[in-house]
Amino acid sequence: DIQMTQSPSSLSASVGDRITITCRSSQNILNYLNWYQQKPGKAPKLLIYGASSLHTGVPSRFSGSGSGTDFTLTINSLQPEDFASYYCQQTSSTPWTFGQGSKVEIK
Amino acid sequence: QVQLQESGPGLVKPSQTLSLTCTVSGGSITNGGYYWSWIRQHPGKGLEWIGYIYDSESSRYSGTTNYNPSLKSRINISVDRSKNQFSLRLNAVSAADTAVYYCAREDGGLLSRGNYYYGMDVWGQGTTVTVSS
Repeated sequence: DIQMTQSPSSLSASVGDRITITCRSSQNILNYLNWYQQKPGKAPKLLIYGASSLHTGVPSRFSGSGSGTDFTLTINSLQPEDFASYYCQQTSSTPWTFGQGSKVEIK
Repeated sequence: QVQLQESGPGLVKPSQTLSLTCTVSGGSITNGGYYWSWIRQHPGKGLEWIGYIYDSESSRYSGTTNYNPSLKSRINISVDRSKNQFSLRLNAVSAADTAVYYCAREDGGLLSRGNYYYGMDVWGQGTTVTVSS
């Protein structure tokens, strides 16, 4: 199985900050990388697919980049509704696997 | 707009079978050639992909399943077209199967830069299953 490792596991930030979350895969997954947002008690929501393409309806302050084994999710000008957990997922080969998550908390 | 809703018992005894159903509303389960998936999340933990079934009115690959090898010997995912539902059966459960179970629609046709990608674009709200005697 392809292992996905995210960092940091948690971070504190303020409204208006720019934050970056990193995801690393244990092998080359080209750009078969998705990002999801999950709020407490809710199902995940697809934010980004193909490493950098915004899913329908996702605000442009979210962006993704990377290819191969190293990927980043950036949120520009953090908004109150962005405080949540974020997960990367590889869809290069089954079983699909997720990172352990990164929790963005209010400072 | 397609919506998904999980249903099933919230408590299952060890060694028994966990059975969950996901009802699809707002669209036919056979339209669009989607992958109908199950994912679970252990308490306070990350996400684990369980598997999917592919269904399409126009494809000879309808009914194709793909399971996580870690669970493959114990699971079965099926579709009931007449009810617009898909289901998960997980045999011989233990406390390690206690989790929130989500159903999701996976789209394998997300287009970006000339390539197609997979992504779970519609999710159910999740249902908590506890394995305990």
